[in-house]
Amino acid sequence: AQKITQTQPGMFVQEKEAVTLDCTYDTSDPSYGLFWYKQPSSGEMIFLIYQGSYDQQNATEGRYSLNFQKARKSANLVISASQLGDSAMYFCSPRAGTASKLTFGTGTRLQVTL
Amino acid sequence: NAGVTQTPKFQVLKTGQSMTLQCAQDMNHNSMYWYRQDPGMGLRLIYYSASEGTTDKGEVPNGYNVSRLNKREFSLRLESAAPSQTSVYFCASSEASPYPFSGNTIYFGEGSWLTVV
Repeated sequence: AQKITQTQPGMFVQEKEAVTLDCTYDTSDPSYGLFWYKQPSSGEMIFLIYQGSYDQQNATEGRYSLNFQKARKSANLVISASQLGDSAMYFCSPRAGTASKLTFGTGTRLQVTL
Repeated sequence: NAGVTQTPKFQVLKTGQSMTLQCAQDMNHNSMYWYRQDPGMGLRLIYYSASEGTTDKGEVPNGYNVSRLNKREFSLRLESAAPSQTSVYFCASSEASPYPFSGNTIYFGEGSWLTVV
C-alpha cells in the first residue's frame, strides 16, 4: 500500500510570492508517477502537474513546478508568483506501476493574501 | 466534451433510505473510482473498478456497494443511509497504464453533495 504524507494542513502566502507545498510518499515500486491536483472552493478537482519517476528533469507547467527528490521520495509543488485565485486545497497523489487504486494525501489548504 | 458526469449533484436523504449515485465517462477509460470527501479533509477511496467487470474495495467501503454496469458507467449505492455518510462524493476515471508508466491523469466529476439527516 502506498503512504502519502502532506504535513502542512494550511499555508499562507502573500500575493506574488512563491510557495512550496510538501508531499512525501512511500512506494516500493520502481516505476511510479506523482500528480498534484487543485480543488478550489467550488469543489471540482483540477489536474495541475505530473512527474514520472524516470523523468530526468523536474516537471514544469506555467507557474507550477515540482521539486522532485527521488531518493527522499519527496515531490513538493512550487507555485511561483502566487495569485489570489491560487487559494484552494492542493492534493498530492502518487500512482505506482499498474496499480489502479489511486490514493490522495490529506491535502494542504493554501490561502493567498494581499 | 462531457468527461465524467455524475448525478445527482445534490441529494438529501433520511436515515435508512437508499439511493444510487450514477457516474458515466465518455473517454473510453478502463478504470473508474468513487471517492468521498468530508468537510475540510482529503479524498478517501470507497471503491474502484480497474476494468469492466471488476470492482475492488478502497479505504472506506463499508455501507456502500458498486456496480460497473459497462465500460462507461460505474454506480455507487447506499443501501441504508447513515448520517456518517454525509459527504461530497466524487466519481473519477483514468486509463490504467501498463509499464512503462505513462502518466495518464485522473479525471473527476463535479461532485455530488449528499446530506443524510
